[in-house]
Amino acid sequence: QVQLVQSGAEVKKPGSSVKVACKASGGTLTRDAINWVRQAPGQGLEWMGGIIPMFGTATYAQKFQGTVTITADASTSTVYMDLSTLRIEDTAVYFCARGPNYGTAFDIWGQGTMVTVSS
Amino acid sequence: ELVLMQSPATLSVSPGERANLSCRASQNIGINLAWYQQKPGQAPRLLIYGSSTRLTGIPARFSGSESGTEFTLTISSLQSEDFAVYYCQYYMTWPPVYTFGQGTKLEIK
Repeated sequence: QVQLVQSGAEVKKPGSSVKVACKASGGTLTRDAINWVRQAPGQGLEWMGGIIPMFGTATYAQKFQGTVTITADASTSTVYMDLSTLRIEDTAVYFCARGPNYGTAFDIWGQGTMVTVSS
Repeated sequence: ELVLMQSPATLSVSPGERANLSCRASQNIGINLAWYQQKPGQAPRLLIYGSSTRLTGIPARFSGSESGTEFTLTISSLQSEDFAVYYCQYYMTWPPVYTFGQGTKLEIK
């Protein structure tokens, strides 16, 4: 079965950007919807946006429009989440999660990537 | 904007007992609701989708039900590994919208 493997933890300065990768292991992601979910320390889950690599166009939650860019490289089954103009409040664990399509529950999750924003 | 309200925020139950976790939607969402379990330091794990369908491999002690805009996750006989935080999630096909409840922490009494 497909597993999602994310890139490692990051420490960033306020105002900078971060790019987190999510790679499929044991399969491909071409037709699936890959989503990004944020979890601030001690807080709940928040959907940021998603992409279907085969189509290449991402969709975003209104809150993250303009600050998040989600892209995909179908040839390597890797999806990227780029978060710009980082603020202290962006400190969180970022998960990628698969749904068989848009509008389905997330049945496979990456292990999470901790992004710490600190001056 | 859809809001999912989970209650209670914390539920204390003894092992072997039944737990009922509630998720109330602010509007009609049909059965487009999922339940996840999350343990400390881990990613969420899908348990139930379509309000009441268990994902393959999820123990039968987990069940989901709905009555209008009220959804319930029931764990029939709590095992030690079931103590965790549980989230409900609404999902819509287009435009893609995914809304999570704020979570219920299930702790050992």
